[in-house]
Amino acid sequence: DAGVTQSPTHLIKTRGQQVTLRCSPKSGHDTVSWYQQALGQGPQFIFQYYEEEERQRGNFPDRFSGHQFPNYSSELNVNALLLGDSALYLCASRLTGVETQYFGPGTRLLVL
Amino acid sequence: TQLLEQSPQFLSIQEGENLTVYCNSSSVFSSLQWYRQEPGEGPVLLVTVVTGGEVKKLKRLTFQFGDARKDSSLHITAAQPGDTGLYLCAGAQGNQFYFGTGTSLTVIP
Repeated sequence: DAGVTQSPTHLIKTRGQQVTLRCSPKSGHDTVSWYQQALGQGPQFIFQYYEEEERQRGNFPDRFSGHQFPNYSSELNVNALLLGDSALYLCASRLTGVETQYFGPGTRLLVL
Repeated sequence: TQLLEQSPQFLSIQEGENLTVYCNSSSVFSSLQWYRQEPGEGPVLLVTVVTGGEVKKLKRLTFQFGDARKDSSLHITAAQPGDTGLYLCAGAQGNQFYFGTGTSLTVIP
């Protein structure tokens, strides 16, 4: 049973560019959340997707958008990248109604 | 706004010592999770506590959820170098999980 997977593992972009990160949830999970983790800090909630819709959103600008597909996989898009967007981006999945989520290995994004 | 505060932020101890990490909030959570994270990897779930006052043991790790479901503690007995990592608590409110600031633990052989 595969756990949560994310791609790519690492990514280097320049300011102003756009990036798409991908996540496949753990088998049987229908809810996907995205987090941003700066070095040495705890993860910050970006948004959550359920039934292909954004269900909840954290304090992130509209440059951050997402999508969930019918197979529950998800994408995180960031437009007009800033240096401050450099971070580890984590995807977590769970089954709605169950208060335990599982994380993927993350995508390390570096913006130059 | 940081809903959950962890203390201490950094901890460096000798192998064999005991330690306690605290996770405090003024907010109530329906459940609380503890994770351990290695550098460059995603957090790995250690435990979920749901009931106020609940105590769970995982080998040398003991987790407690406060009676009011606002705080939690993680106690490690006889720490080993393999315990080194970033320990994160996360509280659930509705559909959202709020993470603590993290405790970076280093166990020196």
